[in-house]
Amino acid sequence: SQQGEEDPQALSIQEGENATMNCSYKTSINNLQWYRQNSGRGLVHLILIRSNEREKHSGRLRVTLDTSKKSSSLLITASRAADTASYFCATDKGGYQKVTFGTGTKLQVIP
Amino acid sequence: SAVISQKPSRDICQRGTSLTIQCQVDSQVTMMFWYRQQPGQSLTLIATANQGSEATYESGFVIDKFPISRPNLTFSTLTVSNMSPEDSSIYLCSVGQETNYGYTFGSGTRLTVV
Repeated sequence: SQQGEEDPQALSIQEGENATMNCSYKTSINNLQWYRQNSGRGLVHLILIRSNEREKHSGRLRVTLDTSKKSSSLLITASRAADTASYFCATDKGGYQKVTFGTGTKLQVIP
Repeated sequence: SAVISQKPSRDICQRGTSLTIQCQVDSQVTMMFWYRQQPGQSLTLIATANQGSEATYESGFVIDKFPISRPNLTFSTLTVSNMSPEDSSIYLCSVGQETNYGYTFGSGTRLTVV
């Protein structure tokens, strides 16, 4: 079964708006990562946040992590049509441990 | 980060046949991972491949159906055997030297079984 559940399952916004996706997971983690997948192709790593971090930024991306609630959010600011993709959260327990993926959010940014 | 070349990018196969997917990495990596992504779904780990040892399979996946080879630190293959339409999926390989820095994925193999 999947470790993470994401919501919403699908999100449609206008270009320039912000997009927020949420991820909840079930067991303790070492790291939480976010990936983007365009049209069923390979995944692109966006950002990694460690369990002892609460917030992280990378360009237009902001990730928060609340380990007490076992949840994370990904915010994309000033969205662009090129941000249209599926976004997945993924958790691991550190070291060479496997990564377990959430259910994903399909984002559509309308020009 | 590592660069992965995955082949083929797509294939249409007859049921009952087998397909071997290859992943070549431009640097030596300890662990390689194989995932399946069924249509409209998330990624499910099939197995973890270490060089020089047998692959470790996740629940629901068996070696007879998905044999994996890992002959060296830069290469791995996954074979989908005796295919049925239910095997139609995207298959992805992934590498990560250390999870603290994220994983790199191949571009995926889109398999359709008819």
